[in-house]
Amino acid sequence: QQPVQSPQAVILREGEDAVINCSSSKALYSVHWYRQKHGEAPVFLMILLKGGEQKGHEKISASFNEKKQQSSLYLTASQLSYSGTYFCGTERGGSTLGRLYFGRGTQLTVWP
Amino acid sequence: GAVVSQHPSRVICKSGTSVKIECRSLDFQATTMFWYRQFPKQSLMLMATSNEGSKATYEQGVEKDKFLINHASLTLSTLTVTSAHPEDSSFYICSADPGRSYGYTFGSGTRLTVV
Repeated sequence: QQPVQSPQAVILREGEDAVINCSSSKALYSVHWYRQKHGEAPVFLMILLKGGEQKGHEKISASFNEKKQQSSLYLTASQLSYSGTYFCGTERGGSTLGRLYFGRGTQLTVWP
Repeated sequence: GAVVSQHPSRVICKSGTSVKIECRSLDFQATTMFWYRQFPKQSLMLMATSNEGSKATYEQGVEKDKFLINHASLTLSTLTVTSAHPEDSSFYICSADPGRSYGYTFGSGTRLTVV
């Protein structure tokens, strides 16, 4: 049920870009992206619904390729505050609609 | 808006005792809430879906009798870890969906330590 996330970890300098990928072997209804800081709750970044859309949120954007069941999160001109663990959560339709299954996470560290 | 409150934030209990964790949606109604478990530096593993007024739906491999879920109202779900053992020590976190455009909102989590 779990999606596959890559890479496991990314280390960046402030101002650099990063891409985090999420893929599923099953057809997806939606993909959610969250950021979690150590010891805190995950914070919602964005949701992408099937239909293959791309969304943006300040310097963070994401895409969803419905045919490939893949989503990517794009972080541009990274800031120190971007550090944390990024999780993609995938939602399938049918009887499991509403349930999110999360990938293993990508630990992002941004250095000054 | 879209706040989920979870209590307690930390709890230490003795092996064999039970612990109740509460999850409340403060400014929206949640007919469904979700309970996750997270080990250090690992993913959020969905344990169960809590349904208001009906039985919870458990994920494969999750012991129903150990992790009792009650969703008695549209704003409150509880998770009771029964006869806790050290291997139940983990970070438990709940979430709810306030509406499509907001994504799912998570509670602040409960760090359970069983000694």
